[in-house]
Amino acid sequence: EVQLVESGGGLVQPGGSLRLSCAASGFTVSSNYMSWVRQAPGKGLECVSVIYSGDSTYYADSVKGRFTISRDNSKNTLFLQMDGLRADDTAVYYCARPEYEYFVHWGQGTLVTVSS
Amino acid sequence: SYELTQSLSVSVALGQTARMTCGGNNIGSKNVHWYQHKPGQAPVLVIYRDNNRPSGIPDRFSGSHSGNTATLTISRAQAGDEADYYCQVWDSSTAWVFGGGTKLTVL
Repeated sequence: EVQLVESGGGLVQPGGSLRLSCAASGFTVSSNYMSWVRQAPGKGLECVSVIYSGDSTYYADSVKGRFTISRDNSKNTLFLQMDGLRADDTAVYYCARPEYEYFVHWGQGTLVTVSS
Repeated sequence: SYELTQSLSVSVALGQTARMTCGGNNIGSKNVHWYQHKPGQAPVLVIYRDNNRPSGIPDRFSGSHSGNTATLTISRAQAGDEADYYCQVWDSSTAWVFGGGTKLTVL
């Protein structure tokens, strides 16, 4: 059974950093696309970053240059390093496994709040 | 960049049919996917590639698209169908794109 469990969310000041983790089970992270999708309060879903099975990456314009997606194959874990955080980065961040065009498996999400 | 437009809300009487739309430029030429999202829960894929249901999704859920509009139809609506519904496509210039979401209320 595929499971995705996020951790690492919390309260951080503007300009600060946070590292999210997504522990995967039931499949191999290194062989699959992996992604982070967020939902800001009162807003819709937004795909912020994807790492392909070949280690190429995608970033939404809203986070490009500030966020870095990576994975640790030995721990079967996905990460999102978030630097230069802004108030509009406040959101629930979901780890999700895309099947190329669409997202089949999702974690329960972790809340990131950027506020002074 | 590619954009998807959804109406903010749809209401349906219990047991009746709900339809919600997703507008996008020539969306009929793209694969459209739909998600159900309830508060505090992970989103759930309910339709993929226009009109395919993942295992466990009842056949009350169906999708269609043509021209500039895609439609998610929920037949025999139940109270448990109340949720936000998002359409999504993959676009070569914008990658994974979601609509703004439609809130479904079952009366």
